[in-house]
Amino acid sequence: RKEVEQDPGPFNVPEGATVAFNCTYSNSASQSFFWYRQDCRKEPKLLMSVYSSGNEDGRFTAQLNRASQYISLLIRDSKLSDSATYLCVVTPDSWGKLQFGSGTQVVVTP
Amino acid sequence: DVKVTQSSRYLVKRTGEKVFLECVQDMDHENMFWYRQDPGLGLRLIYFSYDVKMKEKGDIPEGYSVSREKKERFSLILESASTNQTSMYLCATQDSTGVRGYTFGSGTRLTVV
Repeated sequence: RKEVEQDPGPFNVPEGATVAFNCTYSNSASQSFFWYRQDCRKEPKLLMSVYSSGNEDGRFTAQLNRASQYISLLIRDSKLSDSATYLCVVTPDSWGKLQFGSGTQVVVTP
Repeated sequence: DVKVTQSSRYLVKRTGEKVFLECVQDMDHENMFWYRQDPGLGLRLIYFSYDVKMKEKGDIPEGYSVSREKKERFSLILESASTNQTSMYLCATQDSTGVRGYTFGSGTRLTVV
C-alpha cells in the first residue's frame, strides 16, 4: 500500500465549475500537509499548506480530516490555467522528508 | 524567495559515463534532497542531507552517490550511468524546522543512451 494515495484522474472540468479531490495517507502520526501544483515538464510548486482547521486561498480550499486520514482540495470557478497535476504531500515525521502522492491531473476545458 | 538552481535543464549522456548533477541554493537552508520523477511512479527520494558533510540514503540510492562539501551545494553523482536512470531529477531545499514544504529547482531531464 502506498503511503500517500491519490486518484490519478484526469478530472475533466468545464471552465467555471468546481472540482474537488482527496488524498489519503497511511501514517497517523503525519504532521504537516501540503498541496503542490505541477505543470507539464516543470517542477512542483507549493500551492498551499493544509491546516487542521481547514484553510482557503482565493479559489482554493484545503481540508484535513485526521480521523479518516485524508486531505482534500477544492477549486472553485475553475480557470483554464488551473490545468495541472496536483500533488498531495505529507510530512510523516519531524525530520523533514516529505512523502508525495503520484498526483491528480486536472484538465479544465473551455 | 529561495532560489534553487540546477546546473542543466537537459542532459544527454552515454551508458557508463560518470554524471554530475549540481544543485545550488541561496537561502542558507540546511536540508537538501534529490528526487527522481518518472511517469506512474511519482517522486522517489534518492538521497538527502541535513548538514554539510552529512548524507543519508533515501528510498532508491542504488547507482547514485552524493556530495555536500558546502552548505549551499548538493551534488548527485551517477557513478556509471545506465539507461534505467533516464529520468527527471529534482533537487529540493527546506529550512531546518522540517515542517515547511520544499522549494524545488527547475529539474534536470537526463537521457542516458
